[in-house]
Amino acid sequence: SQQGEEDPQALSIQEGENATMNCSYKTSINNLQWYRQNSGRGLVHLILIRSNEREKHSGRLRVTLDTSKKSSSLLITASRAADTASYFCATVRGNTPLVFGKGTRLSVIA
Amino acid sequence: DAGVIQSPRHEVTEMGQEVTLRCKPISGHNSLFWYRQTMMRGLELLIYFNNNVPIDDSGMPEDRFSAKMPNASFSTLKIQPSEPRDSAVYFCASRRGESEKLFFGSGTQLSVL
Repeated sequence: SQQGEEDPQALSIQEGENATMNCSYKTSINNLQWYRQNSGRGLVHLILIRSNEREKHSGRLRVTLDTSKKSSSLLITASRAADTASYFCATVRGNTPLVFGKGTRLSVIA
Repeated sequence: DAGVIQSPRHEVTEMGQEVTLRCKPISGHNSLFWYRQTMMRGLELLIYFNNNVPIDDSGMPEDRFSAKMPNASFSTLKIQPSEPRDSAVYFCASRRGESEKLFFGSGTQLSVL
């Protein structure tokens, strides 16, 4: 299984604060991907980090990957109420399907 | 590009009825995935196709569930007969190639009474 496990299960912060979510996995990977899901909607891809990369940025998102610890983190800086959503990680190895964990539910309070 | 298109958006049916969910992947994508999401079990992979061929259906709960992909632009997930425990949101997703990102449809909210 390529399943990633997100931590914490839920996170509540004030607008403007940074939010950090973690993902752990068990097997070797080609890449790790983070997705976001707004209530009642499908998952939307946020960022992909390859196994030979250690850090990647996209706007207010920063993702790190530590393959020796089999872990990744997603940092959202200067959070906004609109960032309220569930965030999922998934690891990829070859042509296998993405298997998702239960996600982290982020609440950003205005 | 219209994205992954799923229909219907909502389905309410009675126990024992047949339910058919439909998906149109993004043109040019060669892999298609069906997922089911519930509060209790999270997002579960049911089955996936590569180049219209089913690769792994080990996630399909039981024989009541079946999926087909007759061509590169259409897939169906059928439940016959449906049961209340099948109530969930069913998502279809596609991707262009190996190890690439997934594009999800908006899902079908299924309620079996």
